[in-house]
Amino acid sequence: AQSVSQHNHHVILSEAASLELGCNYSYGGTVNLFWYVQYPGQHLQLLLKYFSGDPLVKGIKGFEAEFIKSKFSFNLRKPSVQWSDTAEYFCAVRSGYALNFGKGTSLLVTP
Amino acid sequence: ETGVTQSPTHLIKTRGQQVTLRCSSQSGHNTVSWYQQALGQGPQFIFQYYREEENGRGNFPPRFSGLQFPNYSSELNVNALELDDSALYLCASSLFAAMNTEAFFGQGTRLTVV
Repeated sequence: AQSVSQHNHHVILSEAASLELGCNYSYGGTVNLFWYVQYPGQHLQLLLKYFSGDPLVKGIKGFEAEFIKSKFSFNLRKPSVQWSDTAEYFCAVRSGYALNFGKGTSLLVTP
Repeated sequence: ETGVTQSPTHLIKTRGQQVTLRCSSQSGHNTVSWYQQALGQGPQFIFQYYREEENGRGNFPPRFSGLQFPNYSSELNVNALELDDSALYLCASSLFAAMNTEAFFGQGTRLTVV
C-alpha cells in the first residue's frame, strides 16, 4: 500500500510570506496524488490533484504543487499566503480504493 | 458545500454501546467511503461501498461495519464502542471509475465515547 509522509507538522508564517509544505510518498508505480485543506469547522476540500501529465499542478486559491517522480515528492506551494489560509493541510495518495493521508500540517498565518 | 451530508454532527456514547452514523452522497455519485480522523491525525480509511457491497477495507476490526442503500446513501455502524473510537468520522462520495476520480467529503460526525 502506498503511504504518505508530511514533514512539517506546524508552520507559522506572516501574511505575504511564501509557503512550501513537503509531502513524500512511497513508491508504488502509477500514483494519484492530492492535497486537501481543512479550514476550522469545515469539511475537507480538494486543493489540487495530480493524475498524469504536466507535473506542475495548479489548484484553487493560488496553490500549486509539483510532482517530482525521482524524489517521490509532491510539495505544495503558494507564493504569498493570506490570513485566510490558516488551516490544516493534508497530502494524500490513492492506494487501491483508499486515500492514504499524511498526518497533516497545521498552518497559522499571522497578520 | 460538497453535497455530501452526514448526520448527526455530534454524538456522545458510552463505552460498550453501539452507534450508527449516516451519509448521503453527492448527486451522481455511486461510491461511498468512510474515514476515521483522530485528533491531530490524518483521516484513516475504514472501508468503501459500491453497488451496496463492501469492496475495500482498511485496518479496522469487524465491529466496524457498514451498509449502502439503493440510493447510494450509507451507514457506518460501530459495535462495542471503545474510548479510542472517539474521533471525527468522515464520509466521502465519488464516482467509481478506475483511478482518475476525486472524492468529496462531508463535514463529519464527531463521536465522543465516554
